[in-house]
Amino acid sequence: NAGVTQTPKFQVLKTGQSMTLQCAQDMNHEYMSWYRQDPGMGLRLIHYSVGAGITDQGEVPNGYNVSRSTTEDFPLRLLSAAPSQTSVYFCASRPGQLNTEAFFGQGTRLTVV
Amino acid sequence: EDQVTQSPEALRLQEGESSSLNCSYTVSGLRGLFWYRQDPGKGPEFLFTLYSAGEEKEKERLKATLTKKESFLHITAPKPEDSATYLCAVQTYNKLIFGAGTRLAVHP
Repeated sequence: NAGVTQTPKFQVLKTGQSMTLQCAQDMNHEYMSWYRQDPGMGLRLIHYSVGAGITDQGEVPNGYNVSRSTTEDFPLRLLSAAPSQTSVYFCASRPGQLNTEAFFGQGTRLTVV
Repeated sequence: EDQVTQSPEALRLQEGESSSLNCSYTVSGLRGLFWYRQDPGKGPEFLFTLYSAGEEKEKERLKATLTKKESFLHITAPKPEDSATYLCAVQTYNKLIFGAGTRLAVHP
């Protein structure tokens, strides 16, 4: 099993550019989420989805869009990159029940210059 | 406001020196508390889930406990391979909220 796969692993963007971070899971999990991790601040929830066609905002959604057209995929779009979005991004998935463990991808390290 | 606080931020231990990491929380409607381990450059890996006060879970040199306001991760006789960042997270109605983590370094 591949688990949760994130691409790319590293990315450098110029301010104002847009891009999509990809996340795919092969465990048929209903619940998927995106976090960003910054030094000293832990993981902060950006957006989440409880199933295909359903998304909602987390703690820090501004500047990011998501969609969930299939159970497997949950891409994160940066509309107009800003230096404040320099971070490590993690995608996670879990079964439908919320009080179950989350499985994380390996992360995408994004630098906006 | 839901909040998770971990202490200390960093901990340095000698091999074999036991210690504890703390996770305190204030959330409405706790549905579970999770401990994760994160190695540099990798995503968090699941360790434990605790659901109710008084519950304990063990795995090798790690033991997690839970009260109504905090959780402890006890590390007994640690080894250098236990060096990592340990993350605590609490599950509310629809969100998993993380603390900032404790960076543990175990030296031989």
